Parts: sequence; structure tokens; C-alpha cells
Amino acid sequence: GQQLNQSPQSMFIQEGEDVSMNCTSSSIFNTWLWYKQEPGEGPVLLIALYKAGELTSNGRLTAQFGITRKDSFLNISASIPSDVGIYFCAGQRDEYGNNRLAFGKGNQVVVIP
Amino acid sequence: GAVVSQHPSRVICKSGTSVKIECRSLDFQATTMFWYRQFPKQSLMLMATSNEGSKATYEQGVEKDKFLINHASLTLSTLTVTSAHPEDSSFYICSAPGTEQGTSEAFFGQGTRLTVV
Repeated sequence: GQQLNQSPQSMFIQEGEDVSMNCTSSSIFNTWLWYKQEPGEGPVLLIALYKAGELTSNGRLTAQFGITRKDSFLNISASIPSDVGIYFCAGQRDEYGNNRLAFGKGNQVVVIP
Repeated sequence: GAVVSQHPSRVICKSGTSVKIECRSLDFQATTMFWYRQFPKQSLMLMATSNEGSKATYEQGVEKDKFLINHASLTLSTLTVTSAHPEDSSFYICSAPGTEQGTSEAFFGQGTRLTVV
């Protein structure tokens, strides 16, 4: 299946710092989703983006849907220890009418107190 | 948001036995559900699309007879790992779209850790 290019793959950050991660694709998507997964759990939806150029916030999280519809970024501001986890981007409904999700490889975030 | 419940969260079974995993949409109906497999430190790999009232659609390389999927109602899909072997040990996760049209964001179950001994 399709894979999205997610970078960086892991990050060690100091508590209080901002975190930024990126996701790109060679295909167009109509929806971009950002999930967080903790060990032994299923992914939890953080932010959903539906329109090119859309900028959406959820608390300390901000995500944007790229203008080209081939990329998205997620920012976490003022990180706290509970932000630890793996963050996945996912694209849905590509230009071929495919509703299945394509996932990035994930970004492991570690917050150092 | 929509809630998807998956059961059991952990299961250990003997090699050669079958294991059934349930995925329920608790507060909405789902004509489509998805089953994923995830290896340690890797992303989710789609195994199959479960369709209510019809046959599941399997991804290339996924054995239909090995991973039986039944979408019996609008709120329940099951994945049965038949004749399990140690290499089937993995984390299995289901998801369902938040709307019946399947165009909204997908919500995931809690996952099932399968260990075959």
C-alpha cells in the first residue's frame, strides 16, 4: 500500500520546547489526519484536516494541510512529559478515489523533563 | 469522538489454535471497518477491509483463509486468526470511519496483542 514520508523518525526534546514534524506524499490526499499512539494502545486521533491550506489547532497542537495537498505538518507547543508517544500522519481519499488510510512510519517523541 | 471498542486487548494461545478478535463501533454504525497489523516500532499495515453484508477485501499478500473476517452487523466485525503460528504474533488493530460514507476520519480500537506460543 501507499506510504507517506514522515520525518523525523524520532525526536528527543526538552520539556517546554516546541516540536515540529512533517509528512509528505507523492499522491494527493483530500484528508490529512494526525494520530498519537502510546505503547500497547491503538492510535488516537489528534487533528483532522479537510481543506488545502487549512490550519487547525487542538490545545497545544497545530496542524496544517499543505496547499498542494501532498503534505502536512504537526506542531506541539510547550511540550510536556505526557506528549511522549509515536505520532503518525495519515492520508485519506487520494486522487484515485481510495478511501483507505495511508500511514507514515511514525515519529517517536521523547520528552526529557 | 466516535468510539471503537476492540476485544480482547491481550490473548495468548497455543500454536495451531484459532483466535477471534472483535471490533465494535459503540455509538455509530459502520458499514466498513479496517483491520491492521502492526509490528514493533513499525507503522500500521492494512490487512483487509471488512464490509457489512459482503465479503471482505484483502490486501495483497494477506491470506484469506488464514485471517477470516466476518462483518455480521453494522456495529461488529470479527477477525479470526486460524491455525495460529508464532509468526502470527503481533498487534492487531481495527478501525472504523466516523460516518457511514467512510469519508470522515477513522477511529481506532485499543488493539489486541496476540502471542502464539
